[in-house]
Amino acid sequence: DTGVSQDPRHKITKRGQNVTFRCDPISEHNRLYWYRQTLGQGPEFLTYFQNEAQLEKSRLLSDRFSAERPKGSFSTLEIQRTEQGDSAMYLCASSLRDHSYEQYFGPGTRLTVT
Amino acid sequence: EDQVTQSPEALRLQEGESSSLNCSYTVSGLRGLFWYRQDPGKGPEFLFTLYSAGEEKEKERLKATLTKKESFLHITAPKPEDSATYLCAVLSGGSYIPTFGRGTSLIVHP
Repeated sequence: DTGVSQDPRHKITKRGQNVTFRCDPISEHNRLYWYRQTLGQGPEFLTYFQNEAQLEKSRLLSDRFSAERPKGSFSTLEIQRTEQGDSAMYLCASSLRDHSYEQYFGPGTRLTVT
Repeated sequence: EDQVTQSPEALRLQEGESSSLNCSYTVSGLRGLFWYRQDPGKGPEFLFTLYSAGEEKEKERLKATLTKKESFLHITAPKPEDSATYLCAVLSGGSYIPTFGRGTSLIVHP
């Protein structure tokens, strides 16, 4: 079990550019979550998948954000036309259905929009 | 809407000085309360899940307890390596989306 991995770990981009992040969950986990975290705050939910189905999205999630999990394994989170307010740590977590509900987090992708 | 409040926001301890972190919550039908540890620049690391009032879990110098309104994370004889932010989260109703608190930043001085 190698844990949840995320790539890249750091991303610096200019305002208006598109960025894409990848998350590889723990292999047998069928639920995958994306969160955003800013300094001094707890993780804020963005969206989650059960297998390849996107089951819920935060009402706060802008239309510029889109996520996919095409084969029920890895997932990607894309942010289009980035804004400075998008600067944050983007966290991915996975959990095993019907098992204690606990989530295991990856190391995160730190996004800086200049 | 679920609410989670953690206190204090920051805590400084001397090595060996035991203390407790608080997580108070307001939910409709608690399904689980989670504690995580987060080091700077890293993702949260899962510590404990508590499901019902009266339940306790222990791991090394950490002990988590749960009542109907709050949870405590007791740290016994902390060491500098226990320095981190400790996050509390709750899951309620039929949702699979936990609500996180803002965390308590703990610094343990040698």
